[in-house]
Amino acid sequence: GEDVEQSLFLSVREGDSSVINCTYTDSSSTYLYWYKQEPGAGLQLLTYIFSNMDMKQDQRLTVLLNKKDKHLSLRIADTQTGDSAIYFCAERTRAGTALIFGKGTTLSVSS
Amino acid sequence: GAGVSQTPSNKVTEKGKYVELRCDPISGHTALYWYRQSLGQGPEFLIYFQGTGAADDSGLPNDRFFAVRPEGSVSTLKIQRTERGDSAVYLCASSLSRGENNEQFFGPGTRLTVL
Repeated sequence: GEDVEQSLFLSVREGDSSVINCTYTDSSSTYLYWYKQEPGAGLQLLTYIFSNMDMKQDQRLTVLLNKKDKHLSLRIADTQTGDSAIYFCAERTRAGTALIFGKGTTLSVSS
Repeated sequence: GAGVSQTPSNKVTEKGKYVELRCDPISGHTALYWYRQSLGQGPEFLIYFQGTGAADDSGLPNDRFFAVRPEGSVSTLKIQRTERGDSAVYLCASSLSRGENNEQFFGPGTRLTVL
């Protein structure tokens, strides 16, 4: 079945890099996503990667995809206190219309 | 409107009651999705509309849950005989079409509490 796993917590100091990891099980995944959720706010799409890509960079964000190991990571460079939030990894499979989400990683940034 | 809106933002009800949750998608978005997010979990898919029709309702947990989108815009999620386990944040999202990478824009959610 489809399953997305993430570590639950990450704590970093302001200015450091943050790396949030995710594993998924469905090899037919076509797109993989990272969403950010702040308290009281809706889910915000941060970035996505197509399954035939290994890496995607977007300003402070770098996404790495290891399709063989079904492993996805999100690196945030120069992490700021405003980056504190819950980050969700999600996949969309070839057959599916919906997104399959992980449980989310809570990122805490201390100054 | 500028984004997806959901009403009410909070709903408290008693076990056994009927509730309706409303979603206003972004104008022009033909695809609409409902998800449910329980405490400490990621969103879980409930149902997907393409236009007026429910194209995929495989995520609805049981027949107490029903959703409509009669004019292909606003959608209502209906829950009959609510149970305490239905307590969660119900999220709505919309996108331009079903296409592979059409971004789903999420609303702020309705927090449902069943006492």
